[in-house]
Amino acid sequence: AQTVTQSQPEMSVQEAETVTLSCTYDTSESDYYLFWYKQPPSRQMILVIRQEAYKQQNATENRFSVNFQKAAKSFSLKISDSQLGDAAMYFCAYRIPSTGNQFYFGTGTSLTVIP
Amino acid sequence: ETGVTQTPRHLVMGMTNKKSLKCEQHLGHNAMYWYKQSAKKPLELMFVYNFKEQTENNSVPSRFSPECPNSSHLFLHLHTLQPEDSALYLCASSLADQTGKGGYTFGSGTRLTVV
Repeated sequence: AQTVTQSQPEMSVQEAETVTLSCTYDTSESDYYLFWYKQPPSRQMILVIRQEAYKQQNATENRFSVNFQKAAKSFSLKISDSQLGDAAMYFCAYRIPSTGNQFYFGTGTSLTVIP
Repeated sequence: ETGVTQTPRHLVMGMTNKKSLKCEQHLGHNAMYWYKQSAKKPLELMFVYNFKEQTENNSVPSRFSPECPNSSHLFLHLHTLQPEDSALYLCASSLADQTGKGGYTFGSGTRLTVV
């Protein structure tokens, strides 16, 4: 079964500090893509960052970076210099080309940013 | 506005009602999806349309009936729903990308309450 586990239902971080959200997944496939999505109170899911499983280099998008450990099937998201606008639900997901267009999502982590 | 528009934003319906959710995108995407988001659960894929053809139906009860008249519009027709169907229903679109690396563009969802 394809599963994604986000073991931290809630996290908080002080403004300007760094926080790491954890994600593990389970697949027997070797070719897949990993994603982090953000869902603010507006409810619209926004793509934060994407990682190709065949790439060893960790993806980075401005203040967002990932720590991808393929052997451990771990894909954590680091948010540096946290801002109030980062407060949201964060979902980890992956997509396997061989299964077509389906994404597999985790249950989400609710991030609070403390001023 | 993000490119994927869902209406209505909120919907309260009785168990004997019939209603429809609408999703519209003008991003040039050719795949559209319905997801159900319930608290503390992973997003559940309900239906997938590629080039207006339904390609997946993940064991969704027949009280949910999708319709995709063209590649820009997607509907979810609802009838005789149950209270457990109350959830946030998200529409998403993407290019029908067989490589798996493409992300989705999501709408802001319809918050459905069945009474």
